[in-house]
Amino acid sequence: SQQGEEDPQALSIQEGENATMNCSYKTSINNLQWYRQNSGRGLVHLILIRSNEREKHSGRLRVTLDTSKKSSSLLITASRAADTASYFCATDAAGGYNKLIFGAGTRLAVHP
Amino acid sequence: GAGVSQSPSNKVTEKGKDVELRCDPISGHTALYWYRQRLGQGLEFLIYFQGNSAPDKSGLPSDRFSAERTGESVSTLTIQRTQQEDSAVYLCASSLWLLEASNEQFFGPGTRLTVL
Repeated sequence: SQQGEEDPQALSIQEGENATMNCSYKTSINNLQWYRQNSGRGLVHLILIRSNEREKHSGRLRVTLDTSKKSSSLLITASRAADTASYFCATDAAGGYNKLIFGAGTRLAVHP
Repeated sequence: GAGVSQSPSNKVTEKGKDVELRCDPISGHTALYWYRQRLGQGLEFLIYFQGNSAPDKSGLPSDRFSAERTGESVSTLTIQRTQQEDSAVYLCASSLWLLEASNEQFFGPGTRLTVL
């Protein structure tokens, strides 16, 4: 079964609104990463949060990690039409070095 | 090169034929990964290479799938006797290797495989 599962599966918002995506996982992890994918091709790394971190920021992105609930959230503030993409969380199982397990992703549509 | 490259970008083949997909990782990246992504779905891990260590083949779906890597450079993913269910985008990624945990992976643009 998948290690990371995102919700919602799809999200549609207006430009300027915030977008929040959630990810849940099943086993202990070393870190959790968020990636973005445009048009079903290559993924781009957004942010990595380690298991001993609770929150991390990068520009308009804010990621939280709750290891007690085995969940993470990605917040994109002041969204833009260019943020339209699929967003995936990926977890690195503790002891399974360097092997990422990806969730099914959240498809975000930002309308002008 | 500046990033991970993959070839071909698109491949259409007939059921039963063999295909070979190529990945050129970022120079200096010792770790290389292959993933499969079916339409509208997440990434499935296929195989992982790290330096001269034995590859982690735990994600290969059947014995029709195999992969090789020459040192710390080019990798080829071979699918023998292709089936329609093999149709997907095959993504390659590379990363620096850290002893204790995963690092950021850099992805290529993928090869879209269509089996007729």
